[in-house]
Amino acid sequence: EPEVTQTPSHQVTQMGQEVILRCVPISNHLYFYWYRQILGQKVEFLVSFYNNEISEKSEIFDDQFSVERPDGSNFTLKIRSTKLEDSAMYFCASNRYSNQPQHFGDGTRLSIL
Amino acid sequence: GESVGLHLPTLSVQEGDNSIINCAYSNSASDYFIWYKQESGKGPQFIIDIRSNMDKRQGQRVTVLLNKTVKHLSLQIAATQPGDSAVYFCAEAPIYNQGGKLIFGQGTELSVKP
Repeated sequence: EPEVTQTPSHQVTQMGQEVILRCVPISNHLYFYWYRQILGQKVEFLVSFYNNEISEKSEIFDDQFSVERPDGSNFTLKIRSTKLEDSAMYFCASNRYSNQPQHFGDGTRLSIL
Repeated sequence: GESVGLHLPTLSVQEGDNSIINCAYSNSASDYFIWYKQESGKGPQFIIDIRSNMDKRQGQRVTVLLNKTVKHLSLQIAATQPGDSAVYFCAEAPIYNQGGKLIFGQGTELSVKP
């Protein structure tokens, strides 16, 4: 069964540094998402992306965040200047149509020191 | 404001028993609901979904019930197995949402005793 894959599984970064989290969505999917989950808390929406542009973003997704689909298979989340509070699990998800179940990757654990 | 929440943070059941996990939502504009299972170190895994024009939907060993009158969603797992132990999240998508954003609840941890 096709899967959403995310790399790396764990990223450790110094505060203030830039970090790029990578995702390969399921190949025939058209909608892409990033969510984050702070330890022990619920999953929070960050951003949705369709047709090479952001469809919707949350208050968390401020100017420090950006997303990109650099080619036909990758979908990336960049945090320009990381803060301690950015430490969380970051999940990528995708679906073919926006009203269908989203399929999630296993996440990247981001640790900011 | 909009929110999706769960009544019980933890649920412990005996193997073979049926489990019921509940979820309350406050956004009456939601028309699509999903249950996800999250095992330790993994991402949310789709279990079952339901649209607001239905009040019940069944899958393999799982049933989702939707009561729009009281804005309540439940997941029933029949003959619970140790492999069902995980955190279960409900999620909703509002009607007006064209971007596909999901709003997740807090999660219920299901523990199955052998």
